[in-house]
Amino acid sequence: KQEVTQIPAALSVPEGENLVLNCSFTDSAIYNLQWFRQDPGKGLTSLLLIQSSQREQTSGRLNASLDKSSGRSTLYIVASQPGDSATYLCAASTDSWGKLQFGAGTQVVVTP
Amino acid sequence: GAVVSQHPSWVICKSGTSVKIECRSLDFQATTMFWYRQFPKQSLMLMATSNEGSKATYEQGVEKDKFLINHASLTLSTLTVTSAHPEDSSFYICSAREVRVVAFGSGTRLTVV
Repeated sequence: KQEVTQIPAALSVPEGENLVLNCSFTDSAIYNLQWFRQDPGKGLTSLLLIQSSQREQTSGRLNASLDKSSGRSTLYIVASQPGDSATYLCAASTDSWGKLQFGAGTQVVVTP
Repeated sequence: GAVVSQHPSWVICKSGTSVKIECRSLDFQATTMFWYRQFPKQSLMLMATSNEGSKATYEQGVEKDKFLINHASLTLSTLTVTSAHPEDSSFYICSAREVRVVAFGSGTRLTVV
């Protein structure tokens, strides 16, 4: 069974610093890997989707890498802002049907 | 595109009553929908996979008689929590698959008192 782990569980940085969030998975036979943002009491916002054949995806200040052989994905957020404060979840899919295995998330606080 | 609407966003109910949560795909047809549950400070755990026109597939440890799932049309799946108890209080969230994109609803906060 696929297990997804996120480290650290929580992170606090001053505004302007770059953020590095780590995600590891046990089964390298993934279909894709996604990064989501969740604000307190809210649903999920999809940030980046990396297909198994891709090494990275970029959207604005966000960049996510994928290394299937080592079972790792990293989300980079450049020049963090207070509005980036949220919980970030990674999720791995082992099939094309959309069933996701989530990590426990990294709670990020960006202080002004 | 790929918008999923979930309703209600929050509900408070008395112990022993049943609560229905709706998940609708607004601009696409979803043959498969998923229901997740999230306890405080924990991640989302898949409860069941809902397939249009057939019975849902439940994950190990999820009581199918307690969490009734109906997927009668290509745009609507419902989750009914039957005889709810305080331990069922949680955040429930659905997702729907449209080709290569999986979209999530905004979630339902259920509080059983």
